[in-house]
Amino acid sequence: DAKTTQPNSMESNEEEPVHLPCNHSTISGTDYIHWYRQLPSQGPEYVIHGLTSNVNNRMASLAIAEDRKSSTLILHRATLRDAAVYYCILGRTSYDKVIFGPGTSLSVIP
Amino acid sequence: NAGVTQTPKFRILKIGQSMTLQCTQDMNHNYMYWYRQDPGMGLKLIYYSVGAGITDKGEVPNGYNVSRSTTEDFPLRLELAAPSQTSVYFCASSVAMGLFSYEQYFGPGTRLTVT
Repeated sequence: DAKTTQPNSMESNEEEPVHLPCNHSTISGTDYIHWYRQLPSQGPEYVIHGLTSNVNNRMASLAIAEDRKSSTLILHRATLRDAAVYYCILGRTSYDKVIFGPGTSLSVIP
Repeated sequence: NAGVTQTPKFRILKIGQSMTLQCTQDMNHNYMYWYRQDPGMGLKLIYYSVGAGITDKGEVPNGYNVSRSTTEDFPLRLELAAPSQTSVYFCASSVAMGLFSYEQYFGPGTRLTVT
């Protein structure tokens, strides 16, 4: 099963960019890279996903390494509302192998 | 759209009791999922459904049952509750365009305590 590795926690100052790394060295060619985040006491919410090329949306940017063995979620200007657990997960072809790891807990310092 | 709704928000069960966690989505999504999240951990998939009448096991199905009689509803049944089932339960849905290739929408969760 392809798994992801993320730092347990990170800190950022408010209004500064944040780069959240994710390693997925055993990724297969058809695996999508997804990022979700979970605010305190809420269900996860989708942030962004991609396959090979870098992706941008209104929430964040996703930078994918050329060999696809790692990716980085970029929050361009962190706000207090961005304090959450961020999950990097891989899209699989069968659901019994979906792996939602512990994620990275991001703290934003005012 | 209300999105994905779950009831109840909180519940305390005694060991051996049964209950049904309700999940409804109004986005006409074919795919629906049940996850559990233990304190400080990520989510684990319990069951999923690819459409009305079709369900399949996820990573941790033991002690749970599901049914999918309509596109909108995907209830999760706990029979003979055990303390190990103390967790937060999330329901989610997505469009049926390839497994996990598209955004999943999550409900607010049900916090269950079994004592």
